[in-house]
Amino acid sequence: NAGVMQNPRHLVRRRGQEARLRCSPMKGHSHVYWYRQLPEEGLKFMVYLQKENIIDESGMPKERFSAEFPKEGPSILRIQQVVRGDSAAYFCASSPSRGSTEAFFGQGTRLTVV
Amino acid sequence: DAKTTQPNSMESNEEEPVHLPCNHSTISGTDYIHWYRQLPSQGPEYVIHGLTSNVNNRMASLAIAEDRKSSTLILHRATLRDAAVYYCILRDGDGGGADGLTFGKGTHLIIQP
Repeated sequence: NAGVMQNPRHLVRRRGQEARLRCSPMKGHSHVYWYRQLPEEGLKFMVYLQKENIIDESGMPKERFSAEFPKEGPSILRIQQVVRGDSAAYFCASSPSRGSTEAFFGQGTRLTVV
Repeated sequence: DAKTTQPNSMESNEEEPVHLPCNHSTISGTDYIHWYRQLPSQGPEYVIHGLTSNVNNRMASLAIAEDRKSSTLILHRATLRDAAVYYCILRDGDGGGADGLTFGKGTHLIIQP
């Protein structure tokens, strides 16, 4: 059973470009969570999605950031018009249900904006 | 979620037990204590969680003070692979997946060979 798969592992974008980060949850998991870790800081919750629905987006920046988890395919975190401050590691986690205690994290995508 | 306080870093020797403390003096009655760890260049990994009673699993033990204002994660025999940042997190209720977990700075555990 493969774990949570994130790709790409490393992504370099120029200022103003778009970044698309993908997350495939573990098999049988329909709940996905995105976190961001800025350099030298702890992880910050961004958004929680269930298939085709956003459940909690209380940590998402109001502009330029969006997330989706379609019926088919991976979850996508999209950052439009990236700025240097978006450089961070972005982690995705999945769980089989809202009632799960344990969540499984992927290895992250390290975004560098130049 | 209530706040937790952990030492910034700790050192231990390989094959010795490690006790990682966490203070949570404002914990509420329904808050569960969760521990995650993050190995270098990896995502966080669930370690253990508990409410009132001490808990054991294959990775670690969790000792919870009687007043629940503090807890200790115990690694019984540390290996070099246990070098990581350990996060103590309070979560209201038992479930919730990874919704809204509040990761602080954690404790950077260094293991000396």
